[in-house]
This record gives sequence, structure tokens and C-alpha cells, in this order.
Amino acid sequence: GAVVSQHPSWVICKSGTSVKIECRSLDFQATTMFWYRQFPKQSLMLMATSNEGSKATYEQGVEKDKFLINHASLTLSTLTVTSAHPEDSSFYICSASRQGGNSPLHFGNGTRLTVT
Amino acid sequence: QKEVEQDPGPLSVPEGAIVSLNCTYSNSAFQYFMWYRQYSRKGPELLMYTYSSGNKEDGRFTAQVDKSSKYISLFIRDSQPSDSATYLCAKGGSSNTGKLIFGQGTTLQVKP
Repeated sequence: GAVVSQHPSWVICKSGTSVKIECRSLDFQATTMFWYRQFPKQSLMLMATSNEGSKATYEQGVEKDKFLINHASLTLSTLTVTSAHPEDSSFYICSASRQGGNSPLHFGNGTRLTVT
Repeated sequence: QKEVEQDPGPLSVPEGAIVSLNCTYSNSAFQYFMWYRQYSRKGPELLMYTYSSGNKEDGRFTAQVDKSSKYISLFIRDSQPSDSATYLCAKGGSSNTGKLIFGQGTTLQVKP
């Protein structure tokens, strides 16, 4: 069964508003979670690494003020897309590893964001 | 050059065929590998993972790694229409952080 849960699965919002996406590890604690973005027919691009109790680490080119990440507990990380614009429309997917380190990542089912 | 290269396909095969999906990589660091299957509008699902050269089998799936040539493969035996999906290879991108570098993904269609 699923080990990482993501909510909502899809959301439509108006330009200029903010949207929050939740990612939960269901039966394990995750000190680190990862947020990816995927455009149609393209691969996954890592946006940021979410660290429990500390600041997220963003990949080059990802605006940290645009994509706010909060990892307040060992089972929950949130991604907030602030002041969303149509170009932020994409498929956002979170992931976490049961054992951490180099063990396999398990992914949530993704959130499809459409900004009108 | 991308660090992980994967032919996007699409690849179309008849039901029951053996499917071979392949990736190459350039960076010899952090050589652990995973294969994911992604259905449309869903998150990737972990199929196989391996840390060493050679073959690893799980049911109809076999993952093969050749570190000397930096080549990884996924074989699917007795392919089924339900195997129709996008298959993504992934390689470790750093140590102790779980960051992965993905190939572009290969779209597979298995026709009944």
C-alpha cells in the first residue's frame, strides 16, 4: 500500500492566490522529504529538500520565496506555492525514504496544480 | 549531456513480448539505481532498486546494471497491457541525502 500520502490530488486556483500541498509519510518518520516538479511528458525535476526542524534546501533556479516549504513534524511536509501564476501550473510530487540515506524513495500520488 | 540518458520512446510491443528498457549514465559517483513505473496522472511507483552490478530479479521484472559501461536495464517478461506506463530510471545524485537523478522516462504501450 501507499507509504507517502499527498493532498490534494488536484487543485485549481486563480492567479495571485496561494496554494498549500501536504505530504505525509504514513507509517514511518521522515526527517527528509523531497519535492519534485514534473511537466507533461518530461521527467521529474527536484525542487527542494525538506528537512524536519530546519530550513529547506532549494535547487538552483528554484525561488525559495515562491515555493515555501515547511517540515514541522517527522511525518508532514508542506509546499506552498505563493502568488501563483499560470506558469506555476504543473504536477508536484513529494517523496520520502523509509530508511533515509541512499535507500529507495517512495512517492506520493502527486498534485496537479492549475492556475487560471 | 544529461547525467542520466533514457530514450523517451514511445515503445510499442505486443502482449507477451519481452521488453527491454535502457539508461546510460555519466557520473560514476553514488552508483545506486532504481526503476519506477508511472501511470498517467499518478506518482512514480518503485519497481526495483539495486546497488551492485549484475542482475536482480523480482517476478517478471529483472534489473541489470553494468557499472563498467555505465549502463542499466529493466527487462519485463510476458508483458501485459497493464504494464503500459512510463518507466523512469533513476540514479543516486549524492550521498546520504536520498537525492535522485531521473532519466527522461520511456513510454511503453503493450497491445493486447
